[in-house]
Amino acid sequence: QKEVEQDPGPLSVPEGAIVSLNCTYSNSAFQYFMWYRQYSRKGPELLMYTYSSGNKEDGRFTAQVDKSSKYISLFIRDSQPSDSATYLCAMSVGETSGSRLTFGEGTQLTVNP
Amino acid sequence: ETGVTQTPRHLVMGMTNKKSLKCEQHLGHNAMYWYKQSAKKPLELMFVYSLEERVENNSVPSRFSPECPNSSHLFLHLHTLQPEDSALYLCASSQDPGRRGGYTFGSGTRLTVV
Repeated sequence: QKEVEQDPGPLSVPEGAIVSLNCTYSNSAFQYFMWYRQYSRKGPELLMYTYSSGNKEDGRFTAQVDKSSKYISLFIRDSQPSDSATYLCAMSVGETSGSRLTFGEGTQLTVNP
Repeated sequence: ETGVTQTPRHLVMGMTNKKSLKCEQHLGHNAMYWYKQSAKKPLELMFVYSLEERVENNSVPSRFSPECPNSSHLFLHLHTLQPEDSALYLCASSQDPGRRGGYTFGSGTRLTVV
């Protein structure tokens, strides 16, 4: 069983839709949760960073962490064609370089105009 | 120049060649990483350097050899690679300890082994 499970998609939505992206994980020691966005032919860029459970909002993006269910989500409101990318979830036990980030496979999202 | 810069962007090499990938970060970070990204697979951690010392070698074959001469530069030396080594190789950096900014990734080197 993979440590982090993420549906690879592809996911295709119309412009303006609300997008929900999810990851589940098996390691209850994970404390730090991240979402990265990766455009084609680019490296991943950090989108959201959360610690422990709860919600975090940044503009059109909301990250949710439910540690009791070992489930994290990223919501995108009023999706735009520029949001078309692959979204990677990542998590770690600690915050140092010795505490490796474990990534999901990534979900490919296309927002159609 | 800012961020994390990787060169070359694309590389095609034969199985008997020797080549090197270069990564440079301009963020003042003190930890650097090599990752391998293959289609339909999660990012695979290869090597971690913290304060220029290798702190992790994630069971990577010896045909991959990292080098970190200072906190701003990271190399990945390649020799006698296999076709299955074709992938996107990503370099990243972070500030250690305290990684609240996450990792900053470069754009990667697309490697094709023929």
